[in-house]
Parts: sequence; C-alpha cells; structure tokens
Amino acid sequence: AQSVTQLDSHVSVSEGTPVLLRCNYSSSYSPSLFWYVQHPNKGLQLLLKYTSAATLVKGINGFEAEFKKSETSFHLTKPSAHMSDAAEYFCVVILTGGGNKLTFGTGTQLKVEL
Amino acid sequence: DTAVSQTPKYLVTQMGNDKSIKCEQNLGHDTMYWYKQDSKKFLKIMFSYNNKELIINETVPNRFSPKSPDKAHLNLHINSLELGDSAVYFCASSQDATSGANVLTFGAGSRLTVL
Repeated sequence: AQSVTQLDSHVSVSEGTPVLLRCNYSSSYSPSLFWYVQHPNKGLQLLLKYTSAATLVKGINGFEAEFKKSETSFHLTKPSAHMSDAAEYFCVVILTGGGNKLTFGTGTQLKVEL
Repeated sequence: DTAVSQTPKYLVTQMGNDKSIKCEQNLGHDTMYWYKQDSKKFLKIMFSYNNKELIINETVPNRFSPKSPDKAHLNLHINSLELGDSAVYFCASSQDATSGANVLTFGAGSRLTVL
C-alpha cells in the first residue's frame, strides 16, 4: 500500500523567511509524487511533480522539492515566503496501477506573517 | 475559459433529499474523477471514469451514483442525503488513466451542507 505522511498540520513563517513543508512517503515501487496547493475556497493547483527524472524538482511560484529515496522524503521548500503563499499544501502519491489514483496527505496549513 | 467547471458551487439541503452536482471539462481529457474533502480537509477519491467507463469505485455508499454521459461530463447524484455527506466535492480530470504521472486538473469545488 502507498501512503504519504505530512508531519506538520500547521506551519507559520514570517514573510521573507524560508519555507519547509515536510512529507514522507511509503511505497513498494518507485513512486510518482506531487505537491498541490489549495488557496481558501479554491480548487487544488499543481505546484510540482516528481516522476523518476531529476530528484530536485522546480515548481511554480518559486517552490521546489527534493526526492530523497534513502529518507523516503519529498519535502517542499521555498527560499523566501510571500503573503500570497498562505494556503493549504498537500503532498500526494500516485498508486501504481489502478487507474491513476492519487493518495493525499492530510495537508499542511501555511501561515505567513508580516 | 474554465477548464473544469462544477455546479453548483454551494448547495444547502435537508436530510433525506436527493441532489446532483454536475461537472464538465473542456480539456479534451479522457479521465474524470470525484473527490470528497471532509471538514478536516482530508481528500479521498470516490470515483473515476475513463472514457465513460467506471474504473475506480472506492468504498462509497450506494446512495452515491456517478453518471458520465460523455467523456467531458461526470455528474454525481446523491440519494437520501445524510448529515455526514456534508463536505466539499471536487471534480477533476486527467489526460488518461494509464500513466502514473498524469496531472489532475481540479474544479473549484462544490460545498454541500446537509441540515
């Protein structure tokens, strides 16, 4: 079975400081991993995806994530937080086979303070 | 143009009623999905259709019945609504269901409140 664990349900940072949102995965096979963002009362938007190519993946809005197989991690980072980054972030793993079924983590709410 | 559109955006109804949520995508994708997001923001897949054929059917009560009249539409009908059905329902689509790297495009969600 495949799963993802988001270690922090809430993260609070000051504007201009780095962001780190942690995600660990469990998978029997080489996983495909994603980060999605959900702004308040909005749908989900893809930030970035890892599909067994480069282990450091760059996404939109300055976010990036590094796939570390030895640590089974896929943490999301951004060098400098902006107020507009405040949102809910979901780490997602694809279930191999079974029709493109995404398994979501429980989400991390990012708060950005002045 | 909105890629994945859902209607209605908000739905408030009484227990026991029957309601439908409609979803349409204009991306030319073959595969569509329904996800449920509960009050704790947890997202879980309910159904997936590929070219009008059901391919994922999670453990969902029989009161929920998806219908896909064509590959651009996936509607969700809910009979005998219960309080626990209150949630945000997200429709999504992807190019196809064969590649694990397929990106899903989500709609803005339909917030269902059962009183």
